[in-house]
Amino acid sequence: QKEVEQNSGPLSVPEGAIASLNCTYSDRVSQSFFWYRQYSGKSPELIMSIYSNGDKEDGRFTAQLNKASQYVSLLIRDSQPSDSATYLCAGMDSSYKLIFGSGTRLLVRP
Amino acid sequence: DAGITQSPRHKVTETGTPVTLRCHQTENHRYMYWYRQDPGHGLRLIHYSYGVKDTDKGEVSDGYSVSRSKTEDFLLTLESATSSQTSVYFCAISLLAGGLSSTDTQYFGPGTRLTVL
Repeated sequence: QKEVEQNSGPLSVPEGAIASLNCTYSDRVSQSFFWYRQYSGKSPELIMSIYSNGDKEDGRFTAQLNKASQYVSLLIRDSQPSDSATYLCAGMDSSYKLIFGSGTRLLVRP
Repeated sequence: DAGITQSPRHKVTETGTPVTLRCHQTENHRYMYWYRQDPGHGLRLIHYSYGVKDTDKGEVSDGYSVSRSKTEDFLLTLESATSSQTSVYFCAISLLAGGLSSTDTQYFGPGTRLTVL
């Protein structure tokens, strides 16, 4: 099992819908979790961080963490074509290193 | 880009040649990282630095060396480039000034696309 696992996609949603991106992780990754957005040919850009169980909201974005199920998700409400990108999930291991998933490509259809 | 620049932005080189990539930051951040990104693998840590002359290996350090003689510069060297090192290389910094913690957040530079023929 990969330490941080994501479905590669593409996940295709219509404009205005909720996009749900999911990530599972192994026991090695236990500290904090981060969602990065990466446009094609660009560098990863931090969207959200989440450190404890539950939901964390920031604008149209909500991160959800469930440590018992080893599951973290990112919800994007009112999806826009400009949200089309690859979303990287990252978890922090016990030595504070980030371990990344391979990313999920999101396509928002106008 | 959190004040991070990388140079060169693109490079094509031949197998067996040495290559040095530079990461430069202007805000005196203590922690700096080098990652490579390949399709299907996401970002993988190569080396990192926690201060001048203080570096350590990451997950995929074989074939790479690093140096940090000044706070602002973190160099990644491929002593003898191989085709398997064709990748996009990203430098990152941590905003934390003291010791690392679970609330550490990393920010990435613009990347260097390296092709080894």
